[in-house]
Amino acid sequence: NAGVMQNPRHLVRRRGQEARLRCSPMKGHSHVYWYRQLPEEGLKFMVYLQKENIIDESGMPKERFSAEFPKEGPSILRIQQVVRGDSAAYFCASSPGQGAVSNTEAFFGQGTRLTVV
Amino acid sequence: AQSVTQPDIHITVSEGASLELRCNYSYGATPYLFWYVQSPGQGLQLLLKYFSGDTLVQGIKGFEAEFKRSQSSFNLRKPSVHWSDAAEYFCAVQGDNAGNNRKLIWGLGTSLAVNP
Repeated sequence: NAGVMQNPRHLVRRRGQEARLRCSPMKGHSHVYWYRQLPEEGLKFMVYLQKENIIDESGMPKERFSAEFPKEGPSILRIQQVVRGDSAAYFCASSPGQGAVSNTEAFFGQGTRLTVV
Repeated sequence: AQSVTQPDIHITVSEGASLELRCNYSYGATPYLFWYVQSPGQGLQLLLKYFSGDTLVQGIKGFEAEFKRSQSSFNLRKPSVHWSDAAEYFCAVQGDNAGNNRKLIWGLGTSLAVNP
């Protein structure tokens, strides 16, 4: 059973370009979470999605950032018109749709490291 | 609001010495608590977790942590540190136990260096 797959592992974009980060959850998982790790800062929750629905986007920047998790295919975190401050590691985690929240955790991918030049 | 505090930004220990990394949380209900480790340029590996039951939990790589409700703490310990334990350690609390939301609130991390 493959784990959470994120690609690309490393992504370089020039200022003003778009960055698209992909996350394939573990098999059987229908919930996805995105986190951002900025240099010298901790990890921050960005968004929680279920298939075709955004459940909690309380951590998403108001502009330029969007996320989706379509019925088919991976979850996508999209950053439009990137700026240097977007350089960070972006982690995705997935969890099953069933099972009590009190005894199952989310599983993390290896992350995508975005560098904006 | 939920929060996690890791008071020690950086710790250095000698190989073979014991280790304790501190974690304090602020959460209104029963907390679900986690410790993760991250090596440079790598992803996040779960060391251990606490949901309920025995307050002393065992994890991988010889780590353990003790949940103390009265102190709002979940400190990570290891009796004898190995050079390969040098890494960044993160404590986290699950931020919303209602519904099915497993989002995590993170501490800022403790960087561990191990002297030979």
